[in-house]
Amino acid sequence: DAGVIQSPRHEVTEMGQEVTLRCKPISGHDYLFWYRQTMMRGLELLIYFNNNVPIDDSGMPEDRFSAKMPNASFSTLKIQPSEPRDSAVYFCASSLRRGGPDTQYFGPGTRLTVL
Amino acid sequence: DAKTTQPNSMESNEEEPVHLPCNHSTISGTDYIHWYRQLPSQGPEYVIHGLTSNVNNRMASLAIAEDRKSSTLILHRATLRDAAVYYCILRGQAGTALIFGKGTTLSVSS
Repeated sequence: DAGVIQSPRHEVTEMGQEVTLRCKPISGHDYLFWYRQTMMRGLELLIYFNNNVPIDDSGMPEDRFSAKMPNASFSTLKIQPSEPRDSAVYFCASSLRRGGPDTQYFGPGTRLTVL
Repeated sequence: DAKTTQPNSMESNEEEPVHLPCNHSTISGTDYIHWYRQLPSQGPEYVIHGLTSNVNNRMASLAIAEDRKSSTLILHRATLRDAAVYYCILRGQAGTALIFGKGTTLSVSS
C-alpha cells in the first residue's frame, strides 16, 4: 500500500485566498483524521471522520475551516479565507479501528504558508 | 485519555542503547501505552504499543512498570536515523484521536 497520500506537499498563498488540502487514506481504513502542527501548539486534532461521516470537529479553529469526505478514498480540508496565522503543517492520518491498540498512519503533511 | 510526562530532550551516541522514559501515573486499567516518533520534516510514525506486558518489535522494545505508572521505550542500538521527537501517548478503549504532548527530542551523535 502507498500509505496515506497528501497533496500538495507545500502551499504558499496570500491572505484572503482559498486553500484546499487533499488526503487519500489507506484503503480499507474506516477512520480519517486531520491534525495541524505549529511550533506554539504542537500537534492538535482538527476533525475526524468515521465511515465518511464527521464525528468530532471541535478542534476546527473557526468557521473559515471546513472538511469533507465525499467517499472512502478522499477527504479535503478547506480554509476560506486564509490568514497568516493558519500557516502550519497539516497532517492527515487514517486508522482501521478506533481506540485501544489501534495504530494511526500519518501522511507526509502539507506545509502551508499564508503571506 | 490520561496525561503523560516525558523529558524534553535526551542525547545518545550512535550504536549505544537509548532508554526513553515516560510517566503516566493516572493511567487507567484499560489504557494502552503507545509510542510514536516524528523524524524531521515527516509525519508521526508508529513505533510500538503495549498494555501490561513488555513488548518487542523490529524497531524497539517497550518496558512497562509493574504498576503501569511508567514505561520506557528502548532503542537497542541508536543510529543517526533515530534522531526524532518521541511521543508517549495513552489510548483508552474508546479513544480515537491521538493526543500529542511535547515529546522527547532525541539527538544522536556519531
